[in-house]
Amino acid sequence: AQSVTQLDSQVPVFEEAPVELRCNYSSSVSVYLFWYVQYPNQGLQLLLKYLSGSTLVESINGFEAEFNKSQTSFHLRKPSVHISDTAEYFCAVRTAGGTSYGKLTFGQGTILTVHP
Amino acid sequence: EAQVTQNPRYLITVTGKKLTVTCSQNMNHEYMSWYRQDPGLGLRQIYYSMNVEVTDKGDVPEGYKVSRKEKRNFPLILESPSPNQTSLYFCASSLSSTGYHQPQHFGDGTRLSIL
Repeated sequence: AQSVTQLDSQVPVFEEAPVELRCNYSSSVSVYLFWYVQYPNQGLQLLLKYLSGSTLVESINGFEAEFNKSQTSFHLRKPSVHISDTAEYFCAVRTAGGTSYGKLTFGQGTILTVHP
Repeated sequence: EAQVTQNPRYLITVTGKKLTVTCSQNMNHEYMSWYRQDPGLGLRQIYYSMNVEVTDKGDVPEGYKVSRKEKRNFPLILESPSPNQTSLYFCASSLSSTGYHQPQHFGDGTRLSIL
């Protein structure tokens, strides 16, 4: 079975400051990794994903995440945040096969609050 | 527009009164799933469906039922709702049941309050 731990439940930060949202996972098989974002009163939207290849993946709105296999981490970063980045962020893991057919396991979520 | 549609968006009801939350997707997706979201617990899977007439339990199936008679619809049924089922519910779908690399598309959520 896989599990996901988001190390911070809330991250307050000032506008234009850098931010890192931490995510660690455990799995006995290879995994696909995702970050989803949930804006207030909305569903989850895919922010970025790691499938294979380059360990650094980027989203269109300036976020990036780095897959670190040895540390089993997939931290999300942004060098300069905006007020509009205020949202809840979820790290998620899906095993690349195995008996957990299609199961997507989520972390507990990190609420990012950007202050002016 | 490709989307997952849930209804209702909000519902307040009483213990024991059967209710159904509908979910429909227009993307011809094979895989569909229901999650509940609770503060500090993230999203937990209730049930999922690999295709028509194929459903299975997720992590927290107790007190819920589902059916998948058509590819596009995946209703969530609470036969006898209880207050501990008060939560925010999300339906999601993805293209292929075996495409584990594919992201899931989420509906906007249904907020249920059971009094």
